[in-house]
Formats: sequence, structure tokens, C-alpha cells
Amino acid sequence: NAGVTQTPKFQVLKTGQSMTLQCAQDMNHNSMYWYRQDPGMGLRLIYYSASEGTTDKGEVPNGYNVSRLNKREFSLRLESAAPSQTSVYFCASSFNGGTGQPQHFGDGTRLSIL
Amino acid sequence: GIQVEQSPPDLILQEGANSTLRCNFSDSVNNLQWFHQNPWGQLINLFYIPSGTKQNGRLSATTVATERYSLLYISSSQTTDSGVYFCAGGFYNQGGKLIFGQGTELSVKP
Repeated sequence: NAGVTQTPKFQVLKTGQSMTLQCAQDMNHNSMYWYRQDPGMGLRLIYYSASEGTTDKGEVPNGYNVSRLNKREFSLRLESAAPSQTSVYFCASSFNGGTGQPQHFGDGTRLSIL
Repeated sequence: GIQVEQSPPDLILQEGANSTLRCNFSDSVNNLQWFHQNPWGQLINLFYIPSGTKQNGRLSATTVATERYSLLYISSSQTTDSGVYFCAGGFYNQGGKLIFGQGTELSVKP
């Protein structure tokens, strides 16, 4: 049972390049989330998907887009990467976010933008 | 806006010591979770505890929702307990979103 799987684990981009971060969960969870973590800070929510077919903005959505491809997969896209988007990105899932269920995290994607 | 504040920001312990980490939140929660981020960056869910007390081995957590705080207790600390501890709150009418505190960085010395 893999839990939440993120790919890639590391990536270096040049300013202006685009990229999609992939996330898949095998726990039959309904809700999925994308967070970013900057040095010395807690996690901030970028986008979330309460259920298949829905997405909504979090605290820091600017510069990102998301796609809930199916129940298992939730991708995060940077259309034109900027140095301010250098961060560690975490995907998480929970059975049903609306009723308050534990969130389980992937191992993160470390993204550097030069 | 809604705030989640953790204290202390950092803590150094000798192996075997006990510690208490605190999380205060500015509004009523329907979801309170504690996470451990290990030195490799992995985030592990320790407790889902919107109210009451739970225990898991040497760790326990208590949330007093009416007074808007939660405590994480670590007893007989071990070097493997080192890392950053985050609490995160989910608030009513926020659609399941979690707001994270800034974390408590714990270092346990042998």
C-alpha cells in the first residue's frame, strides 16, 4: 500500500518554464490537497479538491493551476515558473475533508527555479 | 484571519526528558491534527484530535476546543523524536482546509 505518491521528487527549472507535479493516492480518498512549504515556515494550502470533479483555491493559488484527473490523481501545474515558486511541494489526501478527517502526505517534491 | 500559533518555536532536550508542545487557535475547530516532520522532510500524521485526549505509545495529545488550544506530550524522548512538530486546524465553514502553525523544532540530544 503506497499511500500518497508524488513525482518527481526533485526538479530544477529555469524561469519561464512550465511543469506539472503529479500526485496519486491509493487509499480511496475523496479529498486531495496541494501545499507548499518554504524554509522556516509551516505549510500553506495552494489548491484543494474536496471530491472528484471539484477544485477550489487555497491560501496561495496565484501562479498555479490544478486538475483532478480522477479520484486517484490530482496534478499541480506551473505555467510560467518564477523564482518565488522555489519551494517544497506536498500533496495530501483525506477520506472526506469536509467532515474533518486525517490528512496523509506524500514525501514532497523539491522544486528549484533559477 | 484565522490563526494557529505554536509554542515554543524550538526546544532542545536530553534523551529521556519529557516535553509539552502547545497549539493555540483563534477560532472554533472541527478538525485538529498534529504532524511530525522528520529530518528527511517526511510529514507523518500523529493525531487527529478535534477534542478530548488520545495516546499512542510515548505520545499523547489533548485538545480543549472550548478554550481553543491543544497540547502534545512527548514522554521519555528519544533521538528519533527530533524534527519539527506541526499542528493544523480545520475550521467550520472552511471546507476541510487545514491552517498550519509555524511549527516547534525539537532536537533530542543523546
